[in-house]
Amino acid sequence: GENVEQHPSTLSVQEGDSAVIKCTYSDSASNYFPWYKQELGKRPQLIIDIRSNVGEKKDQRIAVTLNKTAKHFSLHITETQPEDSAVYFCAASISGGSYIPTFGRGTSLIVHP
Amino acid sequence: KAGVTQTPRYLIKTRGQQVTLSCSPISGHRSVSWYQQTPGQGLQFLFEYFSETQRNKGNFPGRFSGRQFSNSRSEMNVSTLELGDSALYLCASSPTGTLRETQYFGPGTRLLVL
Repeated sequence: GENVEQHPSTLSVQEGDSAVIKCTYSDSASNYFPWYKQELGKRPQLIIDIRSNVGEKKDQRIAVTLNKTAKHFSLHITETQPEDSAVYFCAASISGGSYIPTFGRGTSLIVHP
Repeated sequence: KAGVTQTPRYLIKTRGQQVTLSCSPISGHRSVSWYQQTPGQGLQFLFEYFSETQRNKGNFPGRFSGRQFSNSRSEMNVSTLELGDSALYLCASSPTGTLRETQYFGPGTRLLVL
């Protein structure tokens, strides 16, 4: 089955810095890659996703890049703010029907004011 | 629209017991997925129900089961509880469960097995 590795497990940055979280996956059939943000004590929320026919996608301060050849994808957050502090999860899923995600272990992002 | 709701929010059980958790999806959503979240294993997919049928299943033992009712509400059941079943159980709903749709998570049920 699919295996998703996520690094780093903890990331500490200063407000205004950029943050990058990387994930690698094992199943070349995976072609849908969402990212979730989970604030402490709250439910996960989808923040951005990318499909295999796209190399990069941006939404304001966040962007995701995908390298299908190397089987890795990354989340980039620019101009970080304290409210970006949360645990971020990547996932990989085969499309063509239902969404059956395999998640990374999560990255705890801490943005210091 | 009201969001996804889960009951109960917290539960304490002892080993060997069974437990039933409930999830009410957003009105109009027919796909309900269940996930287990633990510090050790992270977030893992349990199963997905659509139109009262289990459509997909993750890699969990048969002690974990579920069902969906005609109003799309879903329940999951864990029998013969083990200490390792202590976790946050999340459900998420979407209109039909395809990749084009965003899944909305409920607040979760935190289960502690003693």
